[in-house]
Amino acid sequence: QKEVEQNSGPLSVPEGAIASLNCTYSDRVSQSFFWYRQYSGKSPELIMSIYSNGDKEDGRFTAQLNKASQYVSLLIRDSQPSDSATYLCAVTSGGGYSTLTFGKGTMLLVSP
Amino acid sequence: EAQVTQNPRYLITVTGKKLTVTCSQNMNHEYMSWYRQDPGLGLRQIYYSMNVEVTDKGDVPEGYKVSRKEKRNFPLILESPSPNQTSLYFCATKRGETQYFGPGTRLLVL
Repeated sequence: QKEVEQNSGPLSVPEGAIASLNCTYSDRVSQSFFWYRQYSGKSPELIMSIYSNGDKEDGRFTAQLNKASQYVSLLIRDSQPSDSATYLCAVTSGGGYSTLTFGKGTMLLVSP
Repeated sequence: EAQVTQNPRYLITVTGKKLTVTCSQNMNHEYMSWYRQDPGLGLRQIYYSMNVEVTDKGDVPEGYKVSRKEKRNFPLILESPSPNQTSLYFCATKRGETQYFGPGTRLLVL
């Protein structure tokens, strides 16, 4: 059974700080890793994908992947109140039709 | 506009009364799937379809049926709903590694 683990939170950070969200996964053959953001009552939306070890940056977001440690993280720099949401980590073993396994999500609260 | 639509968005029903939640996409994606989301349990896949007439079970298929007679539509059928199927349901399509979610259907089974 593939598992994706996240702290449920909430993770509280002040506006302008760096928010660090973490995720571990159990399936060593996992190849593709995603971070989704979900506002309360809304559908998940993809914000970052990462496929190889190291860092990937996109604006204020940086995804970090360490396959040896089976660990993926998301850093949000200069956090804004509008970043307050639940962040879902998702993992797949690769291929266009492989199943996406989601973590339960970490709630992030950014206070003004 | 590329989108995934679901209907109805909200539904209250009673135990045992058959219902169908529709899902439609205009992106010509081959892959479609259904998820349910419950507090403390996260998003769990119910069924998925890799193409027309090809469907397969996800992690929690019990109590659900699906069909894929045409590429754009992937309805979710609850033949005899029970209270434990009260949940938030999402339809999704996928192209490559990117999933696109519908707006969700909130279902309450009394």
